[in-house]
Amino acid sequence: AQTVTQSQPEMSVQEAETVTLSCTYDTSESNYYLFWYKQPPSRQMILVIRQEAYKQQNATENRFSVNFQKAAKSFSLKISDSQLGDTAMYFCAFMKQANAGGTSYGKLTFGQGTILTVHP
Amino acid sequence: DARVTQTPRHKVTEMGQEVTMRCQPILGHNTVFWYRQTMMQGLELLAYFRNRAPLDDSGMPKDRFSAEMPDATLATLKIQPSEPRDSAVYFCASGLVRDTVPYEQYFGPGTRLTVT
Repeated sequence: AQTVTQSQPEMSVQEAETVTLSCTYDTSESNYYLFWYKQPPSRQMILVIRQEAYKQQNATENRFSVNFQKAAKSFSLKISDSQLGDTAMYFCAFMKQANAGGTSYGKLTFGQGTILTVHP
Repeated sequence: DARVTQTPRHKVTEMGQEVTMRCQPILGHNTVFWYRQTMMQGLELLAYFRNRAPLDDSGMPKDRFSAEMPDATLATLKIQPSEPRDSAVYFCASGLVRDTVPYEQYFGPGTRLTVT
């Protein structure tokens, strides 16, 4: 079974600064996907960024980028130029790649979340 | 703007009552998930369906929970009888799964359930 660990229950950052959220995972799979989801106070879960494990290049989406270290099983999220609207809970999540049976593909395993507060 | 819809958004009920939560996945998506979010347990997968067939409901208490997809446009999660420990936010998500292509799960706004 896969586990995802987010060791920082809460983080805070000043507006326009950079912050990094940590995530580690444990798996015996070699092919998988990793995600960061954002959950603002509205409760809506929003996909922030996705990384395929077979890709060496770190994914980026505008102000969001990841540092994916496959050997260390680490997947951190960096938010640059933080904005007040970035205030939310952030979840790291793991998804196995499809297996021959295909039945386990698509399941997300989430970490416990990190509450990020951006201060003006 | 396609989105997953869930009803009701809020539900307050008394212990022992039946609760039914509904989800309309995005048209064309072939996979539907039910998650439960609590402070103590975080986000847990309860059940999921592929092409309306249940694939995995191992995360769901079988004695009181049931999940169904009567048709491609409706997924239901039922709790009977409800208990205070069922109080949580229940999310439905849908996605289009094709072979090994990575995909995104789109989440609904959630149903906040309070059982007194």
